[in-house]
Amino acid sequence: EAEVAQSPRYKITEKSQAVAFWCDPISGHATLYWYRQILGQGPELLVQFQDESVVDDSQLPKDRFSAERLKGVDSTLKIQPAELGDSAMYLCASSFVQGETQYFGPGTRLLVL
Amino acid sequence: SQKIEQNSEALNIQEGKTATLTCNYTNYSPAYLQWYRQDPGRGPVFLLLIRENEKEKRKERLKVTFDTTLKQSLFHITASQPADSATYLCALIPPQAGTALIFGKGTTLSVSS
Repeated sequence: EAEVAQSPRYKITEKSQAVAFWCDPISGHATLYWYRQILGQGPELLVQFQDESVVDDSQLPKDRFSAERLKGVDSTLKIQPAELGDSAMYLCASSFVQGETQYFGPGTRLLVL
Repeated sequence: SQKIEQNSEALNIQEGKTATLTCNYTNYSPAYLQWYRQDPGRGPVFLLLIRENEKEKRKERLKVTFDTTLKQSLFHITASQPADSATYLCALIPPQAGTALIFGKGTTLSVSS
């Protein structure tokens, strides 16, 4: 069964450092989402791509976060500089078409010290 | 403000009983609502989707109802097993607000043997 891949699974960094997360969606899925999940909360959208284009990045803190999906396949989410409050689980999800069931990867757990 | 509320943070039941989880939403009129299961340290896994014109949907031991008048969905697990212990998230896509999911905080179900 096809799955969404994410790496790394865990990342520990010091504040003010740069971190990057990678996501490879299920083959053929045009829509890709990055969510952030704080412990005890539900996931919240950071950015949504349709192919290589950003559809929604209204909740992305653009002063420190950036995301790209250059060839419309895999995607990278970057944080620079990282802050203590960025400690969370970063989840990538994909769907075949917008609005359909989303399939999530295992997530990257980030700890900022 | 728009929000989704799940009835409780934690629910403890005995094996064999039926678990009932509640999801209430305000200020939305979603076309459908989804339920996901999330195990600790993992990404959410899609379970069921119910559309606004469907009152009930079943999948094996799972049953979901959707009352658009009450703005409520109920999620039932019959004959619960310890392996059902997890956090269950309800999610919806607000109409005319993109296609990213809005999640509740989740209810953590613990099934004891």
